Amino acid sequence: KQEVTQIPAALSVPEGENLVLNCSFTDSAIYNLQWFRQDPGKGLTSLLLIQSSQREQTSGRLNASLDKSSGRSTLYIAASQPGDSATYLCAVPTAGSQGNLIFGKGTKLSVKP
Amino acid sequence: EADIYQTPRYLVIGTGKKITLECSQTMGHDKMYWYQQDPGMELHLIHYSYGVNSTEKGDLSSESTVSRIRTEHFPLTLESARPSHTSQYLCASSASTGAETQYFGPGTRLLVL
Repeated sequence: KQEVTQIPAALSVPEGENLVLNCSFTDSAIYNLQWFRQDPGKGLTSLLLIQSSQREQTSGRLNASLDKSSGRSTLYIAASQPGDSATYLCAVPTAGSQGNLIFGKGTKLSVKP
Repeated sequence: EADIYQTPRYLVIGTGKKITLECSQTMGHDKMYWYQQDPGMELHLIHYSYGVNSTEKGDLSSESTVSRIRTEHFPLTLESARPSHTSQYLCASSASTGAETQYFGPGTRLLVL
């Protein structure tokens, strides 16, 4: 059964730092991996989707990488800002499914001004 | 503007009441999902639908039921609410053209007294 783990559970950094969030998954037979952002009391916002054939995706200050063979993904945030404070979740489709997602517990990021 | 909506945003209700959580999307997506998220915990899929008249149970067992009579509408119903149903319920949708990203609504926070 697919399991998704995110480390660290929480992270506090000063503004301007570059940081890396980690996601690991136990079953490497995935179609893609998605990173989401969740603000307190709100829904999820999709940040990046990496297809299984890709190794990385970039959007602005965000860069996500995928290493299927090792079951790992990282989300790199450059020049962090207080507005980046949120919980970051990674998710992969369940086996045999292209839509149903299994989520990690997330990394709660706090960027201090 | 294409979006996904959930009502109510917050609901406090007594034990034994019947409740329906509404979810609507204007993106024309065939796939829709309901997730349950307890505070500080990961999201768990409780129901999904791949189109009109299609509904399936997700990975997490739930006493709730869903219906999909129209493409844009995917309501979730609890016939008799209990305190154990207290949680956040998130609705999402995605296109059916493959492993597409999911778009989430703002969520409904349910408190059953």
